[in-house]
Amino acid sequence: AQSVSQHNHHVILSEAASLELGCNYSYGGTVNLFWYVQYPGQHLQLLLKYFSGDPLVKGIKGFEAEFIKSKFSFNLRKPSVQWSDTAEYFCAVNDDSGGYNKLIFGAGTRLAVHP
Amino acid sequence: NAGVMQNPRHLVRRRGQEARLRCSPMKGHSHVYWYRQLPEEGLKFMVYLQKENIIDESGMPKERFSAEFPKEGPSILRIQQVVRGDSAAYFCASSPPNARLNTEAFFGQGTRLTVV
Repeated sequence: AQSVSQHNHHVILSEAASLELGCNYSYGGTVNLFWYVQYPGQHLQLLLKYFSGDPLVKGIKGFEAEFIKSKFSFNLRKPSVQWSDTAEYFCAVNDDSGGYNKLIFGAGTRLAVHP
Repeated sequence: NAGVMQNPRHLVRRRGQEARLRCSPMKGHSHVYWYRQLPEEGLKFMVYLQKENIIDESGMPKERFSAEFPKEGPSILRIQQVVRGDSAAYFCASSPPNARLNTEAFFGQGTRLTVV
């Protein structure tokens, strides 16, 4: 069965620090990969997604992620975080067995950015 | 995306009561997904519905849980005879007709169910 693993459950950073959140998945077939963010009290928003092509994906708000097929990884990065990036981040993979967008999520990483 | 509306945002039920969670998809969307997030866990798929049809309910508990998406009105996730273990955040997502694998699903803000 497919699964998604996020290595860090809680991350605390100071503003301007660099961010990297790990995500590994287990699935042998073609994958579509996503990072979602949930700001306090708000809905999940799509940060970025990978379907095919360039493995380095640019998303909103200065985030990017790199798909490394050999490592089954899709780590999220941002060179310099801001206080407003405080949120919970979810990595997800699409289960394509049914032909529709059924997502398998990781447990999430809570990021706290201190001024 | 503010387009997917879930209500209520918070719901408290006593053990044995029924919980009804509602989800109005974005305008023009006819596909609805329900996910559940237990404390300290990621979102887990529960059910996928199209208008008047349940397409995939492989993530739904076998008893007490049901979902519908009628021709008119919101999608409803219904939990009968709630137990403490049902306490969780329930998220709804919607996507447009003819959605393919790479079509983004838009999420609501979730309903936080607390069973006391």
